Amino acid sequence: DAGITQSPRHKVTETGTPVTLRCHQTENHRYMYWYRQDPGHGLRLIHYSYGVKDTDKGEVSDGYSVSRSKTEDFLLTLESATSSQTSVYFCAISELGQGSTEAFFGQGTRLTVV
Amino acid sequence: QQPVQSPQAVILREGEDAVINCSSSKALYSVHWYRQKHGEAPVFLMILLKGGEQKGHEKISASFNEKKQQSSLYLTASQLSYSGTYFCGTEGRGSTLGRLYFGRGTQLTVWP
Repeated sequence: DAGITQSPRHKVTETGTPVTLRCHQTENHRYMYWYRQDPGHGLRLIHYSYGVKDTDKGEVSDGYSVSRSKTEDFLLTLESATSSQTSVYFCAISELGQGSTEAFFGQGTRLTVV
Repeated sequence: QQPVQSPQAVILREGEDAVINCSSSKALYSVHWYRQKHGEAPVFLMILLKGGEQKGHEKISASFNEKKQQSSLYLTASQLSYSGTYFCGTEGRGSTLGRLYFGRGTQLTVWP
């Protein structure tokens, strides 16, 4: 199994509070991604990173920010959580664009905003 | 940017075949297929890199029509273990290289 770990695995938070989710990899892959998964919407790309300090927005980036200060860590921050951000969040890593290889997913973080 | 998958759901008996389609409005560099079981992370099935490429994995295979920006996943002689949600992922060309978008998924249920 690819070395990718998400933390926490579960979190309940109150509306308006900041939340940070962490994705840690031991594969030294260039690309890292954050997705959210909601019923009927599949996996939607929030942000992705193509290197240290190099990040870009995905299709549902409003209300989210990311940071990547080290190759192995990609953080997703909800500045002020809202109930619409209740979801399952997946991190993924890959070497896409480099001869394109598969993406490996973390086990997911279930976030509930109350 | 999200590719379009069809159908949304498929119900099969063991041994039957199914086809899942994926299309994009953008020029594609690669197409990926993943399967997700309930409560688990998506798991990679295969990647197609060249137009016209076909790949196989056990009784699951896929094709990629680069000109039409479409891919299809073929499941033959389905087994109970094939049940799950199938996602196609697309990677565009040029400035979108490396950016991986997924469709809404196709829920496949195989009954004995």
